[in-house]
Amino acid sequence: AQSVTQLDSHVSVSEGTPVLLRCNYSSSYSPSLFWYVQHPNKGLQLLLKYTSAATLVKGINGFEAEFKKSETSFHLTKPSAHMSDAAEYFCVVIHTGTTSKLTFGTGTRLQVTL
Amino acid sequence: GAGVSQSPSNKVTEKGKDVELRCDPISGHTALYWYRQSLGQGLEFLIYFQGNSAPDKSGLPSDRFSAERTGGSVSTLTIQRTQQEDSAVYLCASSVRTSRDNEQFFGPGTRLTVL
Repeated sequence: AQSVTQLDSHVSVSEGTPVLLRCNYSSSYSPSLFWYVQHPNKGLQLLLKYTSAATLVKGINGFEAEFKKSETSFHLTKPSAHMSDAAEYFCVVIHTGTTSKLTFGTGTRLQVTL
Repeated sequence: GAGVSQSPSNKVTEKGKDVELRCDPISGHTALYWYRQSLGQGLEFLIYFQGNSAPDKSGLPSDRFSAERTGGSVSTLTIQRTQQEDSAVYLCASSVRTSRDNEQFFGPGTRLTVL
């Protein structure tokens, strides 16, 4: 079975400082991995995806993530946090079976302070 | 273009009543998914439709839950004899096709509260 583990339930950073949201995966196959963001009272939005091409993936709003097979990690980073980045972030693995259903991590709430 | 829409946005019901939740996927998307987001369970898969194929119901938590997709477009999730543990946000998503590369686009969700 495929799964993802988000190592932090809550991360707080100051505006203008780097963001690191950690995710480890477990998969018998080469996985496809995503990061989704959910702003308060808004729907889920795809930030970026890894589908076995380049290991460093760039997404929207300055976010990027690096797939590291040796560490089974897919951490999300951003060089400089903005107040608008405050949201819930989900690391997601997609199943390789016929349905391509998503399995979500438990989420990391990012707080950005002045 | 229009995204995935869901109705109602909020639903409050009494324990034991039946509820229907509706999802309108993006036009042309053949794959449709229902997920549930609750405090205790996080985000979890419920059911999947792809074209005229038999749906994957493996995520439905009990036989009180059912869903259908008419004409390959609109989908309805029905919960019979609702219980308090059914309180959650029910999310619908669609994608162009079933593929590990395809983004699933999510609707805003229906917040269900069972009193």
